[in-house]
Amino acid sequence: SQQGEEDPQALSIQEGENATMNCSYKTSINNLQWYRQNSGRGLVHLILIRSNEREKHSGRLRVTLDTSKKSSSLLITASRAADTASYFCATVPSGGSYIPTFGRGTSLIVHP
Amino acid sequence: DAGVIQSPRHEVTEMGQEVTLRCKPISGHNSLFWYRQTMMRGLELLIYFNNNVPIDDSGMPEDRFSAKMPNASFSTLKIQPSEPRDSAVYFCASTAGGIRYGYTFGSGTRLTVV
Repeated sequence: SQQGEEDPQALSIQEGENATMNCSYKTSINNLQWYRQNSGRGLVHLILIRSNEREKHSGRLRVTLDTSKKSSSLLITASRAADTASYFCATVPSGGSYIPTFGRGTSLIVHP
Repeated sequence: DAGVIQSPRHEVTEMGQEVTLRCKPISGHNSLFWYRQTMMRGLELLIYFNNNVPIDDSGMPEDRFSAKMPNASFSTLKIQPSEPRDSAVYFCASTAGGIRYGYTFGSGTRLTVV
């Protein structure tokens, strides 16, 4: 299966701390995407990193990709209570159908 | 832009009834996806359309599920007859650039079959 797997399943931190989530996958990818889902809402696209990229930034978000280890990480710096949500990685395989498959997500709680 | 619009937001129905979920993708997006989310199985792709044509429906769980996209601005997912195990949140997502861009999700339809 191409499905990415996030780690940890749950993360609880204090406001102001950094939060790091990881995603591992099994086969070659075209790109990897991170999404956020607030409770009772749809997924919101955060950032896309292509297989030939190693790092991308967007505001307080930093995503890294290591294709040799087939893993990615999402770092949220200076977290806020509003960052409380589930975070999902989605892998888009190279070749084939190019359809993203989602992991089970990391549930992040940021305590004020 | 109103984003991807799904209706209804919530649906409660009795087992055996027909359920129709609706989705309006973002104007100009040429790919549309239906996902189902449950605690047990996470997010599962049910079917996706490209330029209104169903490309891959291998994720549709059973013949009770069917999806249509009669035009670029509307899609339906129908379950007939519905069963309690169909209870889930169903999401529609669309994208314009295929694999090059992220996907925009609707707010979902929470389906409860009793």
